[in-house]
Parts: sequence; C-alpha cells; structure tokens
Amino acid sequence: AQKVTQAQTEISVVEKEDVTLDCVYETRDTTYYLFWYKQPPSGELVFLIRRNSFDEQNEISGRYSWNFQKSTSSFNFTITASQVVDSAVYFCALTEMDSSYKLIFGSGTRLLVRP
Amino acid sequence: DAMVIQNPRYQVTQFGKPVTLSCSQTLNHNVMYWYQQKSSQAPKLLFHYYDKDFNNEADTPDNFQSRRPNTSFCFLDIRSPGLGDAAMYLCATSVERGIDTEAFFGQGTRLTVV
Repeated sequence: AQKVTQAQTEISVVEKEDVTLDCVYETRDTTYYLFWYKQPPSGELVFLIRRNSFDEQNEISGRYSWNFQKSTSSFNFTITASQVVDSAVYFCALTEMDSSYKLIFGSGTRLLVRP
Repeated sequence: DAMVIQNPRYQVTQFGKPVTLSCSQTLNHNVMYWYQQKSSQAPKLLFHYYDKDFNNEADTPDNFQSRRPNTSFCFLDIRSPGLGDAAMYLCATSVERGIDTEAFFGQGTRLTVV
C-alpha cells in the first residue's frame, strides 16, 4: 500500500495564480514527520519544510503555506502568486519511527508555471 | 557553494560494464544515502552509511554495492548494469539518522545504459 500519495501528476498554472499541491499519507505510527522537497530542473532535491505529527499548526513562509490535517491524513502545500521559478517537481515525504532514517516519498507533482 | 557534489552529472555505460558513481560532501555529516529515481517516479532508497556502518535496503539488488572510504566520499558501484538500471542516482547526507532529520541532496547522476 502506498504510504504517501500525490494524486496530481502534473499541474499547469499561469503566473500569479495560487496553486495547491495535495499530499495524503498513511501510517500506523503516532509519531511521524512529514516533509516537502522541491526538485528543480537542475536535479537536486531542496528541503522546504518538515512537520511532526503532534504539531497541526499551519505554517506560512513567504508565498508558501502548508496545511496539516491529521483528521484527513493530509499535508497540503499552497503557493500563492506563483512565479515561473516555482516550476519544479514537488515531493511530499514521510518518516516513521520504525525506519526513522528513511524518507518515504510520494510520486511527485510536476508544477509548470507559465508566464 | 555546493555541499553535496556528485560526479559525473551524466554517465553513459554499456550493458554489463561495471560503472562507479561518486559523491562527496563538505558538510561533515555522519550519514550518506544513495537513492535511485527512475523517470517520473519517487526516489527510492538503495542503502545508506551511518559513519562506517553500511545499511542495505531489503529490496536493493545485489548488483548494487557501495563504498565509503572516509567521511567525505561515498561511491555507488553497479557491477553489471542492465537497461532497467537507467535512472537518476541521488546522493544525500544528513547530520544524524533520525525521524526529523533534514537530508541534503546532490544534483544527481543520470545514468544511461546502452
């Protein structure tokens, strides 16, 4: 069973639009962490945020915001006023207590922001 | 400045011919990881080193080996590459091995098998 699901394979928006990337996860652990990574065309994955399972407070960082809802097992990522430089593949990932070193990635969402 | 450096960025190898990919880090991190990422798929962990301690994932094929001669360097050896091994190989590091640990990734080596 897939533990991290990113149902949106590809999203295309016009610059300045807001866009939300969905992430749904599955775990039996009560202690876990969720992450978002960005993979630009250059290839390296860039860490964006982590959130632990006990902290459901939403977070905002500039144009980025994250909405964590345990009730729906979701950790969604919103980019406000998107820019061309936001074009990348975005991965949601999970770590669990029994294999704490291992990032379990979703399949990624490719975001294309058109000028 | 790049902190996790992978060489080469692109590698072409012949079917069955051993190939080595390299990764170096300037972060002095304890943990180094190798991920395989096939086209349009999620990165998949192959193995990792915690200091000198090698940890293989259960489903990593025997064809893949790794060496870590010192803290800074880690190598991925593919003994007999097949067409199915064509992928992006990502090296990553982290300070420690923990549930909340941020990983730092290199730019990857794209391997083509001909």
